[in-house]
Amino acid sequence: SQQGEEDPQALSIQEGENATMNCSYKTSINNLQWYRQNSGRGLVHLILIRSNEREKHSGRLRVTLDTSKKSSSLLITASRAADTASYFCATGTGGGNKLTFGTGTQLKVEL
Amino acid sequence: DAGVTQSPTHLIKTRGQQVTLRCSPKSGHDTVSWYQQALGQGPQFIFQYYEEEERQRGNFPDRFSGHQFPNYSSELNVNALLLGDSALYLCASSLVAGAVGETQYFGPGTRLLVL
Repeated sequence: SQQGEEDPQALSIQEGENATMNCSYKTSINNLQWYRQNSGRGLVHLILIRSNEREKHSGRLRVTLDTSKKSSSLLITASRAADTASYFCATGTGGGNKLTFGTGTQLKVEL
Repeated sequence: DAGVTQSPTHLIKTRGQQVTLRCSPKSGHDTVSWYQQALGQGPQFIFQYYEEEERQRGNFPDRFSGHQFPNYSSELNVNALLLGDSALYLCASSLVAGAVGETQYFGPGTRLLVL
């Protein structure tokens, strides 16, 4: 079963605009991670935020985590056509590094 | 530094057959996890191997089994294939000895089509 739900399911923006994706989850977590997937290929790790962190930055990426609302957001600033991909949030609960993924947001960045 | 590799890249089987997928983890990693991703869905955890033993298992039937070798590489076996087993199978490696939430590195996947 899916732990999280991403919102929106699909997002289309113009190059240079910012893209915001949201993720909600159901159970307590140790960490939340965001991954990118191009055209049904392997997943690329973007950023990890731990349950005791509220915000994290990496390059053009900004992630927030609100454990009281069981939600996270991923902001991609100054988007590029190369950012076109599916984005997934994944939660880690307990040990062993098992990840539970959401349903994904399909981002399309148009020139 | 080689990343996670998987073989084969594509596979076509018929219902009832058996399939074996292979994964080599990223150099230095000792833990391998397998995920199934149906079309349009997020990946779902199948199981995880560490020290040649299955450590965690998701909600998958016994038709799904695996193995980890002393060099940390891993196999995923699926018996009695069903049409619903058609999916992208992803392997991920990590260091279990790391902090909780250690980043998992994914391979390119094996796309299985069951006819």
